Amino acid sequence: DAGVIQSPRHEVTEMGQEVTLRCKPISGHDYLFWYRQTMMRGLELLIYFNNNVPIDDSGMPEDRFSAKMPNASFSTLKIQPSEPRDSAVYFCASTLIGTGNTEAFFGQGTRLTVV
Amino acid sequence: SQQGEEDPQALSIQEGENATMNCSYKTSINNLQWYRQNSGRGLVHLILIRSNEREKHSGRLRVTLDTSKKSSSLLITASRAADTASYFCATDDRGSTLGRLYFGRGTQLTVWP
Repeated sequence: DAGVIQSPRHEVTEMGQEVTLRCKPISGHDYLFWYRQTMMRGLELLIYFNNNVPIDDSGMPEDRFSAKMPNASFSTLKIQPSEPRDSAVYFCASTLIGTGNTEAFFGQGTRLTVV
Repeated sequence: SQQGEEDPQALSIQEGENATMNCSYKTSINNLQWYRQNSGRGLVHLILIRSNEREKHSGRLRVTLDTSKKSSSLLITASRAADTASYFCATDDRGSTLGRLYFGRGTQLTVWP
């Protein structure tokens, strides 16, 4: 398996624009997590899904943020409208909990810069 | 906060020396994990230690867990320049949804050749 795949790797956008980040989890994994990493706040959990169903979105900072998982192999994180304070590295991770092992596999991240 | 906290925040050593990083947490856990992050990359899982284990080894890595003190340590022996990275502990808390991990702020390790 190629691992968790995120796209794009880098995104530069102007304030007010819509941004969509994409994630393909490892095939067969039943949990998918979206994290945001900044120097100030470290690694924050935004939302996570179990079998495509959102379980906890309490980490989503504002209504400008939304996430979907239409099927087991694809998820998106959308920011609309984007603001400079959204600049961060966004990570997607997946896990196969069914084995009782909670090891998370991370993608390479999307570095978002909002100017 | 349920997040773990790593100590020290930064560590700088010479190649060949051992590196020890510590993690403290606040809740009862199912397991504790250590991850590594190279600059500009995603986190990579290193090792998992369950709440009923006290010590675990993997290659040059040694992890200890003291649930009475709610603390863990990661020891990297005979460090190499390639070990330069940030190291994070993550807890799988007993009171939370299975699979939800709480990450610390990390220790930045620099190994000088």
